[in-house]
Amino acid sequence: QSVLTQPPSVSAAPGQKVTISCSGSSSNIGNNYVSWYQQLPGTAPKLLIYENNKRPSGIPDRFSGSKSGTSATLGITGLQTGDEADYYCGTWDSSLSAKVFGGGTKLTVL
Amino acid sequence: QVQLQESGPGLVKPSETLSLTCTVSGGSISSYYWSWIRQPAGKGLEWIGRIYTSGSTNYNPSLKSRVTMSVDTSKNQFSLKLSSVTAADTAVYYCARDEPDLDYWGQGTLVTVSS
Repeated sequence: QSVLTQPPSVSAAPGQKVTISCSGSSSNIGNNYVSWYQQLPGTAPKLLIYENNKRPSGIPDRFSGSKSGTSATLGITGLQTGDEADYYCGTWDSSLSAKVFGGGTKLTVL
Repeated sequence: QVQLQESGPGLVKPSETLSLTCTVSGGSISSYYWSWIRQPAGKGLEWIGRIYTSGSTNYNPSLKSRVTMSVDTSKNQFSLKLSSVTAADTAVYYCARDEPDLDYWGQGTLVTVSS
């Protein structure tokens, strides 16, 4: 069981918008920054969002992040077939003194 | 551009010790945390632990009794040892720079535990 909770899968049509939730607690999301990672099939994860809502250089503004309380959300607009991937949230857990991930969400672009 | 490359045996026998090294190129290993993450086939990411270039470490509590990490700044490398492995330790192992976000990743290396 993952410390952070994500829906196993989400889907939407090309061009549409999708959101992926990540739920935690006060010891992790509630008091630490959240990151999001995209893992395309057969590849290593890639940093998509850091510090809750910041995008690394080269990440399009179709990707956005937000945090409220003990939950975080990844938003993707203008969906493309190339966005089909697994998405993971991650943060530091102050009680565990460890980095924790969500279980991952598989995005299908129908 | 920082690049990371994992290396080590792809097959380890049960009860033995898994040993991997991550070589960092394109930048200095100094003044950063460096993490190891693993992913069993078809499953999610599991953080194993991290090491700072001073040698300070944090380990996943579920693996702490079996994990040892080290760093060699002269070679721009850091390493992972996982002892007493079982089939449950079979996974793709990634190394990554821990900024504290995992901003640069290696391509991953598959380690299979089998006799």
